Amino acid sequence: SQTIHQWPATLVQPVGSPLSLECTVEGTSNPNLYWYRQAAGRGLQLLFYSVGIGQISSEVPQNLSASRPQDRQFILSSKKLLLSDSGFYLCAWRRVLNGNTIYFGEGSWLTVV
Amino acid sequence: SQELEQSPQSLIVQEGKNLTINCTSSKTLYGLYWYKQKYGEGLIFLMMLQKGGEEKSHEKITAKLDEKKQQSSLHITASQPSHAGIYLCGADPISRGSGNTGKLIFGQGTTLQVKP
Repeated sequence: SQTIHQWPATLVQPVGSPLSLECTVEGTSNPNLYWYRQAAGRGLQLLFYSVGIGQISSEVPQNLSASRPQDRQFILSSKKLLLSDSGFYLCAWRRVLNGNTIYFGEGSWLTVV
Repeated sequence: SQELEQSPQSLIVQEGKNLTINCTSSKTLYGLYWYKQKYGEGLIFLMMLQKGGEEKSHEKITAKLDEKKQQSSLHITASQPSHAGIYLCGADPISRGSGNTGKLIFGQGTTLQVKP
């Protein structure tokens, strides 16, 4: 069966520090991968979308970047965090060839102080 | 831009009662997803609807998509405390490129409390 994991689960970082959140999918190949942010009172917003290794689409202008160094690995990064980067980050995946269901990871809480 | 509107925003029901949550879009949707979330946790997939008029059920939860593919409802029968949480509808809008990209937009969520 397929599973998705995110880490770390919780992170408290000072303003200006770097960020790296990691997401890994198991049990499937060539998934579509997504990073969403859920900020208080704003709902879920799509940040990045990837259809394959090295292929990243940014959906909104922001201080963050994403990379996909391996087929089932998706990384969310920042060189210098802003207070506004605080939020709950969710990774998601979709198996393209057999069904369109999108599954989400457990999420990562980021607090920038 | 296309948006999803959920109603009600919050709901408190007595255990055993039925309830309905609605999700409305101003434009036709390619796919409509329902998720459940406990605060601070990931989204749990409930159901996905793609065809106009489609209806799916899982245990005591039933989701429907209208013929025009612009409105969906989630109905819970005989609610239990385990149904409590935040229900989110997400949709793959056709306006985002050709649709079926999985680049979902979401409603603001409906918070459900079930009183024992």
